[in-house]
Formats: sequence, structure tokens, C-alpha cells
Amino acid sequence: DTGVSQDPRHKITKRGQNVTFRCDPISEHNRLYWYRQTLGQGPEFLTYFQNEAQLEKSRLLSDRFSAERPKGSFSTLEIQRTEQGDSAMYLCASSLGETQSSYEQYFGPGTRLTVT
Amino acid sequence: SQQGEEDPQALSIQEGENATMNCSYKTSINNLQWYRQNSGRGLVHLILIRSNEREKHSGRLRVTLDTSKKSSSLLITASRAADTASYFCAPAPTNAGKSTFGDGTTLTVKP
Repeated sequence: DTGVSQDPRHKITKRGQNVTFRCDPISEHNRLYWYRQTLGQGPEFLTYFQNEAQLEKSRLLSDRFSAERPKGSFSTLEIQRTEQGDSAMYLCASSLGETQSSYEQYFGPGTRLTVT
Repeated sequence: SQQGEEDPQALSIQEGENATMNCSYKTSINNLQWYRQNSGRGLVHLILIRSNEREKHSGRLRVTLDTSKKSSSLLITASRAADTASYFCAPAPTNAGKSTFGDGTTLTVKP
């Protein structure tokens, strides 16, 4: 399968615990995006990378959230001291990003986080 | 950033009918993309239309773009129960920044 993959698909954690999600983009894609989606809403942008550089972070991304893409390939999203409000689907997407015509984003299946 | 706003919020039709969804945006775009999302799943890219295109077809999908009105429409012809999903538009701004999503149109196709 050469699509975007995410791991785990589901995560249940207790409030106050730390969680980490992984995203593997399509191999030749330079751009990688993280979104959060709650029920009935569209995806909310969190952050994106061009290769290993994190180019933009949303104000939604509090200090408890951190994302990395150390070698410009896979990315991790960590949430520290989880709160019940963090319960959501976390989506990763990638795109070629080489030219303005190649920003077509391909999404992974998402990681559903439940904070109890 | 550039946010797409979909209309209507919800649409319910019978199998075989056509479904039309609209998207509006505020600033100049480079291209606009439509996505589908089945319940509890990730988004699936349907079609990309560039700012210099007015219409694009892909199978039963027809997308139009009117840059003067800053709007786009997605038409699904001869709908099927499997088309039941949420549909989102994502306009990509000309400054190559990110695009953001509206809350989508929830389409229900009754068999």
C-alpha cells in the first residue's frame, strides 16, 4: 500500500497521560500536514512540514502539542497531559508540494483518540 | 489561510437523483479541491480544479469553478447509496499557504 498510513488507528488514554501518533506519508511527498477533526466538523489545521522544517503552526496547537518530522519522512504528533477536550480524530495528509500545482493532499485513515 | 464554506449543510436524495453541493471562499485561489469522507474514515481526494479551469469531469462527478463569484459546485449524477458521505471543499490560496476546510455537506442517498 503506497498511501498515507497512520498508527495507531485508535487510542484510549486517561486524562493526564501523554500520547504519540505516527504518520508515514507517501514516499515522494515533501509536505506533511496534521489536522484534528471532531464529530460533525471539518478538519482543523494544526501544523505542516516542508521536508523536515515545520513551516506553520495553528494557534489551536497549544504548548501541550508538539510535532516533529526529523528526517523529512515520517512525522510524530505528541500530546502531553491529555485533556478530555483532546478527544478527536487526528488526520495526517501529504502532498508533493514542489510546485503550486502539486498541493493535492492525500489523507491517511486517521487516529481516533479518546481521553477518559 | 483560506477557508471553504460548503452549502447546504445536509442534503438527502433518492438513489438515481443528482446531488449538487456548493462551496464559497473569500480570496484568490490557485486551485480548489473536493474531498469525500465516509463516517469515521479519512478524507478521500475526489478532484482538483485549477483557477484557470471552469469545469472538470471525473466519472459521475462534475465540478465547476467561478472565480468571479468565488464559488465552486460539485455535482454527483445518478447518485448511489454508496455516495452517502460528507463532502468538503478546500481552496488553495495563491500565496501557497494552507487551505482550511469548512464543516462540509452531509449527503444521504436513500436506496
